Amino acid sequence: NAGVTQTPKFQVLKTGQSMTLQCAQDMNHEYMSWYRQDPGMGLRLIHYSVGAGITDQGEVPNGYNVSRSTTEDFPLRLLSAAPSQTSVYFCASSSGGSGNTIYFGEGSWLTVV
Amino acid sequence: GENVEQHPSTLSVQEGDSAVIKCTYSDSASNYFPWYKQELGKRPQLIIDIRSNVGEKKDQRIAVTLNKTAKHFSLHITETQPEDSAVYFCAASARGSSGSARQLTFGSGTQLTVLP
Repeated sequence: NAGVTQTPKFQVLKTGQSMTLQCAQDMNHEYMSWYRQDPGMGLRLIHYSVGAGITDQGEVPNGYNVSRSTTEDFPLRLLSAAPSQTSVYFCASSSGGSGNTIYFGEGSWLTVV
Repeated sequence: GENVEQHPSTLSVQEGDSAVIKCTYSDSASNYFPWYKQELGKRPQLIIDIRSNVGEKKDQRIAVTLNKTAKHFSLHITETQPEDSAVYFCAASARGSSGSARQLTFGSGTQLTVLP
């Protein structure tokens, strides 16, 4: 039982490049989400999913796309990277909505130059 | 949407003293309030949570109190130890933009330093 697994752990991108952050969980959780963490700003919700085939926007969705084709996977795509997207990204999952423990992945450190 | 404010942003205490971190929230419909601890370079980890039907909850040296009328909740750490040094985040549940789910809104974090 690996929990929530994120890859890559570190990535440097050039402005305008695209990439996908991978997230997988093996706990059969319905809810998955992506947060970004910036200094002094806590964790901000980018996108979330309440089940396969269903996604919704969070607080800061611009510049990011998600899809949920399976229960296990929830990739985050950066369409055209910008320096403002330099951040630490955390994928998370829980068994059912708010009120259930959220488990975080180890994080992905992304730098856009 | 939900707005969570957390204070203080930094807190230094002597080992053995108590530490208190306070949060306020805006959405009166919020009913779940977890606290996370994040060590440097690590993922946030849940340390305690409270639901709106409970006013106080304790787990060894950690306690959380909730005042729904005033819309604030607090984390109390007693007999602090150097290993308590970390960033602590409060959070509150929030309804998603489609109204179909409730997600967490986080405070901006408190850097707690326990001085030996």
